[in-house]
Amino acid sequence: KAGVTQTPRYLIKTRGQQVTLSCSPISGHRSVSWYQQTPGQGLQFLFEYFSETQRNKGNFPGRFSGRQFSNSRSEMNVSTLELGDSALYLCASSLVTGTSNTEAFFGQGTRLTVV
Amino acid sequence: AQSVAQPEDQVNVAEGNPLTVKCTYSVSGNPYLFWYVQYPNRGLQFLLKYITGDNLVKGSYGFEAEFNKSQTSFHLKKPSALVSDSALYFCAVRDRNSGNTPLVFGKGTRLSVIA
Repeated sequence: KAGVTQTPRYLIKTRGQQVTLSCSPISGHRSVSWYQQTPGQGLQFLFEYFSETQRNKGNFPGRFSGRQFSNSRSEMNVSTLELGDSALYLCASSLVTGTSNTEAFFGQGTRLTVV
Repeated sequence: AQSVAQPEDQVNVAEGNPLTVKCTYSVSGNPYLFWYVQYPNRGLQFLLKYITGDNLVKGSYGFEAEFNKSQTSFHLKKPSALVSDSALYFCAVRDRNSGNTPLVFGKGTRLSVIA
């Protein structure tokens, strides 16, 4: 079974630009979550999608947005990039069974560098 | 609100010695608890989880964790450390009674196993 796939793996963008990151979950997983990882802040939750609907949202500005498609693939978009957006962006998928005890499986991440 | 504390940023241990990575949590109800490991330039890999039942949980690669409700702790342990265990370890929690809320992660503990 293929794991969670994130593309691209590395990205360099200029301040003010926008970027789109992609995540393909494990086959059969319907929940996709996004996290931002930085050395100082650890993993911070961005948002979660389930069946094309945003179910949870973290405390990030509106420049961060996402969506999920009918095949469960998800994209996140960051507009008007700032230097502080440089981070590893991680996508996680999980098999939602109606309980909260299921573990999430993570992709390798997209390393975004804003210059 | 849910929270996780990993009190040590760095843990150093000699190869062959036992290791412990500490984690304490705070939830309003009962917790689901998880440990993940991250190797350089990789995503997070699931190690083990506590749902209910036996307080000692066994996971991948010889790791185990002990749930202690009175101390609100879920420390990760391994009887004999390997150099290949050197990585970044994350503890995560979800409130059992909160429905499908996102996992909340600690800031991580860097484990260094010295040959």
